[in-house]
Amino acid sequence: GAVVSQHPSRVICKSGTSVKIECRSLDFQATTMFWYRQFPKQSLMLMATSNEGSKATYEQGVEKDKFLINHASLTLSTLTVTSAHPEDSSFYICSARDGGTWDTEAFFGQGTRLTVV
Amino acid sequence: AQSVAQPEDQVNVAEGNPLTVKCTYSVSGNPYLFWYVQYPNRGLQFLLKYITGDNLVKGSYGFEAEFNKSQTSFHLKKPSALVSDSALYFCAVRDTGYNDMRFGAGTRLTVKP
Repeated sequence: GAVVSQHPSRVICKSGTSVKIECRSLDFQATTMFWYRQFPKQSLMLMATSNEGSKATYEQGVEKDKFLINHASLTLSTLTVTSAHPEDSSFYICSARDGGTWDTEAFFGQGTRLTVV
Repeated sequence: AQSVAQPEDQVNVAEGNPLTVKCTYSVSGNPYLFWYVQYPNRGLQFLLKYITGDNLVKGSYGFEAEFNKSQTSFHLKKPSALVSDSALYFCAVRDTGYNDMRFGAGTRLTVKP
């Protein structure tokens, strides 16, 4: 299957600082990427849909000014957690689909464990 | 609207026995259904999908799933479980016309030797 690479896999930052997470599709072009957040022992919560060359679409309740998404190319989307606080500590996962048809599955990055101290 | 439910938080089976992880869905159009597996501190790995055609779908690592339209279900099955199958399993659905997927709460499968 297609490969999605997410970096870093683990990051610890101080409260008030910003953290950038990268998501790359290595062997395909992804016009759309998705960012999820996963709390311990819980399912994935869709945060936003990232569209190449345009603004991201955020889910209800997700602060767009806090979680900045940039999808500058067909192979790269970034999520920046601004002014991070301990409650932002979580596991963040990106995914991308190879192709524009509705029947294609999504491929996931390995996730980023963010800890804000 | 699209949603998916996994009624069991935990499934325990003995190695060598068959396993079933349950999933039901709700969509307004035609469903595209997926199963993913997650190992600790890792992203999700694709197992299989149902788009159309044969109701029995075969996927990776010996897993299969059966689409049942009348019961709106897509249960994951494997004839003989392995200890290495122990992981967190997610069912997901994408409704016709939607770009994103919705995930179930996940089922933790434990296979005991």
